Amino acid sequence: DAGVIQSPRHEVTEMGQEVTLRCKPISGHDYLFWYRQTMMRGLELLIYFNNNVPIDDSGMPEDRFSAKMPNASFSTLKIQPSEPRDSAVYFCASRPRGQGHTEAFFGQGTRLTVV
Amino acid sequence: AQSVTQLGSHVSVSEGALVLLRCNYSSSVPPYLFWYVQYPNQGLQLLLKYTSAATLVKGINGFEAEFKKSETSFHLTKPSAHMSDAAEYFCAVSGSGTYKYIFGTGTRLKVLA
Repeated sequence: DAGVIQSPRHEVTEMGQEVTLRCKPISGHDYLFWYRQTMMRGLELLIYFNNNVPIDDSGMPEDRFSAKMPNASFSTLKIQPSEPRDSAVYFCASRPRGQGHTEAFFGQGTRLTVV
Repeated sequence: AQSVTQLGSHVSVSEGALVLLRCNYSSSVPPYLFWYVQYPNQGLQLLLKYTSAATLVKGINGFEAEFKKSETSFHLTKPSAHMSDAAEYFCAVSGSGTYKYIFGTGTRLKVLA
């Protein structure tokens, strides 16, 4: 398996524009997570899905952020409209079922810069 | 509720010296604990995990960690640092019945020649 695949690796956009980040999890993994990493706040869990259903979105910062998982092999994180404070590295991770002891596998991340 | 605290956002060691990165956790359920490493411009990679089998856990690249319930700690060690160990290290906690990871704030390890 190629691992968790995220695209694009880098995204530069202007304030106010819509941004869509994409993730393909590892085949067979039941859980998908979106994290945001910044110097100030570290790694923050934004939302996670189980079998394509959002389970916990309490980490989504505001209504400008939305995430979907239309099928088991694809998820998107959308920011509309984007703001400079959204600049961060966004990671997608997937995890197989198995209580809490299975590890998550991370993608390479998308570095988002909003100017 | 679960949380982890990593003491020291930056740690510097000389090449060949002992590496000790500290992690303390808080959990209302028996925890599962993980250490991840992140190299520059890359995603996180699992180093090792504790899942209640053995309290001393060995991972990749010569790292190990010991689960100490009485101290609520899961410190990461390596007997002899190598230049290639320079990276950021994250401790994370999960628990039975939950599938979320809660990450610490990370410790950036610098290895001096």
